[in-house]
Amino acid sequence: NAGVTQTPKFQVLKTGQSMTLQCAQDMNHNSMYWYRQDPGMGLRLIYYSASEGTTDKGEVPNGYNVSRLNKREFSLRLESAAPSQTSVYFCASLTSGGGSSYNEQFFGPGTRLTVL
Amino acid sequence: AQSVTQPDIHITVSEGASLELRCNYSYGATPYLFWYVQSPGQGLQLLLKYFSGDTLVQGIKGFEAEFKRSQSSFNLRKPSVHWSDAAEYFCAVGAGSYQLTFGKGTKLSVIP
Repeated sequence: NAGVTQTPKFQVLKTGQSMTLQCAQDMNHNSMYWYRQDPGMGLRLIYYSASEGTTDKGEVPNGYNVSRLNKREFSLRLESAAPSQTSVYFCASLTSGGGSSYNEQFFGPGTRLTVL
Repeated sequence: AQSVTQPDIHITVSEGASLELRCNYSYGATPYLFWYVQSPGQGLQLLLKYFSGDTLVQGIKGFEAEFKRSQSSFNLRKPSVHWSDAAEYFCAVGAGSYQLTFGKGTKLSVIP
């Protein structure tokens, strides 16, 4: 049981290049999330997928696209990278609790992206 | 919209001393509250969570937090800090669609 995995761990891009960050979870969770973490800013939600087949914008979606490929995988794409997208990106997953249950989000180890 | 404030950006304590990290939230309904810890270069790990019931919540690694509705606070405490507790701590509040809003974090340094 690997939990939440992310690839790559590190990436350096030039301005204007594109790339896709991959995320997979093996916990049969319904919901998946992409965050970015910047110094002094905490974690900010980019996009999330409440269930397979659905995606929604979070707080900072501009410049990103996502795909919920199946229940396990949720990818984040930068079509034309900009220096402002230099950040650490975290993927997370959560199982949808019933009733008043509100469950834990499990986080991946992160992808450190630098855009030159 | 919900928000979380962690007033202390950086706290330094001596090993063996007690610790309290502050968290204040703003949310229109009954909050779901969390504390996460992040060691350098790592992802986030859940320390504890509050959904309802007893306002004093016990977590892992000897941490506890107390929910005070009247003060809109969810402060994290530990009676005796260990050097391995040095990390960054994030408070978060749960919103609709299982979204979390995070505070900006408090970095904890521990003096041996």
